[in-house]
Amino acid sequence: DSGVTQTPKHLITATGQRVTLRCSPRSGDLSVYWYQQSLDQGLQFLIQYYNGEERAKGNILERFSAQQFPDLHSELNLSSLELGDSALYFCASSPRPGLQETQYFGPGTRLLVL
Amino acid sequence: AQSVSQHNHHVILSEAASLELGCNYSYGGTVNLFWYVQYPGQHLQLLLKYFSGDPLVKGIKGFEAEFIKSKFSFNLRKPSVQWSDTAEYFCAVNANSWGKLQFGAGTQVVVTP
Repeated sequence: DSGVTQTPKHLITATGQRVTLRCSPRSGDLSVYWYQQSLDQGLQFLIQYYNGEERAKGNILERFSAQQFPDLHSELNLSSLELGDSALYFCASSPRPGLQETQYFGPGTRLLVL
Repeated sequence: AQSVSQHNHHVILSEAASLELGCNYSYGGTVNLFWYVQYPGQHLQLLLKYFSGDPLVKGIKGFEAEFIKSKFSFNLRKPSVQWSDTAEYFCAVNANSWGKLQFGAGTQVVVTP
């Protein structure tokens, strides 16, 4: 157990819908990262927050957004869902952003869009 | 383009065999390197990491990796695998100040009894 929690574990929804994925970082970690794991794209970095502020963006679609709240938990919002959004979404956390930081991953949320 | 390459997508080997998984990256400058493992149905777990110092790093479960700067490589090794090592292994590089990881495509390792 890494100490990073994610809810829900599984999510099944329909195209066009909107979902929210939730992540709670390890105690004391201020930085949260979101990654998407799919069969065709592999593991891809989506977005990073540090102490409530967005710090880096990766291959995140405009239909997706995220935020980090004052209690440091983060939510990833996926809207206008398409079949291709079906993937495993991981959250990771580290004490702070930086080169020499180790990220610890949560169990992931498996999203299936039908 | 900056990338992380894992040479083998699938590896099948018998228990007690030695394992070596290749990882090459194309970043210049300072990099920090990681190997993560994903057991079936589970999340990514850190096996080992290299930040600086001794280029031979030891991780959990008997794994080790060697950083060869001149070859831009960070290969993972285990002298004798067990059935429980069946998993997907990911090499990852952190080459930026914000800490985002660039992952390789992963290598699926199957260890047969």
